[in-house]
Amino acid sequence: KQEVTQIPAALSVPEGENLVLNCSFTDSAIYNLQWFRQDPGKGLTSLLLIQSSQREQTSGRLNASLDKSSGRSTLYIAASQPGDSATYLCAKLNNAGNMLTFGGGTRLMVKP
Amino acid sequence: DAGVIQSPRHEVTEMGQEVTLRCKPISGHDYLFWYRQTMMRGLELLIYFNNNVPIDDSGMPEDRFSAKMPNASFSTLKIQPSEPRDSAVYFCASSRTVNTEAFFGQGTRLTVV
Repeated sequence: KQEVTQIPAALSVPEGENLVLNCSFTDSAIYNLQWFRQDPGKGLTSLLLIQSSQREQTSGRLNASLDKSSGRSTLYIAASQPGDSATYLCAKLNNAGNMLTFGGGTRLMVKP
Repeated sequence: DAGVIQSPRHEVTEMGQEVTLRCKPISGHDYLFWYRQTMMRGLELLIYFNNNVPIDDSGMPEDRFSAKMPNASFSTLKIQPSEPRDSAVYFCASSRTVNTEAFFGQGTRLTVV
């Protein structure tokens, strides 16, 4: 059973476009939800963390929203740049303990 | 702080050999996690520690895998004997508390031939 799903698996957009990455999860009893960025051959960098009591978080051109009732989170990237090209992963922290469950990621390519 | 530090960055070993991966968490972080990333299964939690004590090791695939945290600033993940299917990138992460950001190391790319 896939607990956290990210669609699409890959996305290619022209520079300057606004885009939305989707994350859905089956268990709405979450503690928080975190978005990460992973560059090829590198580790994960935390982008945004949304507590279960929050609806959204913003950092620069990034905005993440959380809708627990529908089991969805979105990562909005405004005015995309080639440097945004990476794999973006969402992960939910379950209510019962300290377990982060990751989605499969969305591989984003922003073309100049 | 230099962040979570893992070593080595790359490891190539022959099947049957023992492999030890190392991690230094961020100072002051009470939680330490070991993850494995493969193309087929994505990121999977193997084990995590709270204040140096293993809390949940249900993700450890087999008895060949073991992890220790002898003190707050050091942890190891050992595979003995290693097998080709253990080839993956192994990440260590730490966080201050249960519900704060998890910070990841750069990972160790393990290849077992």
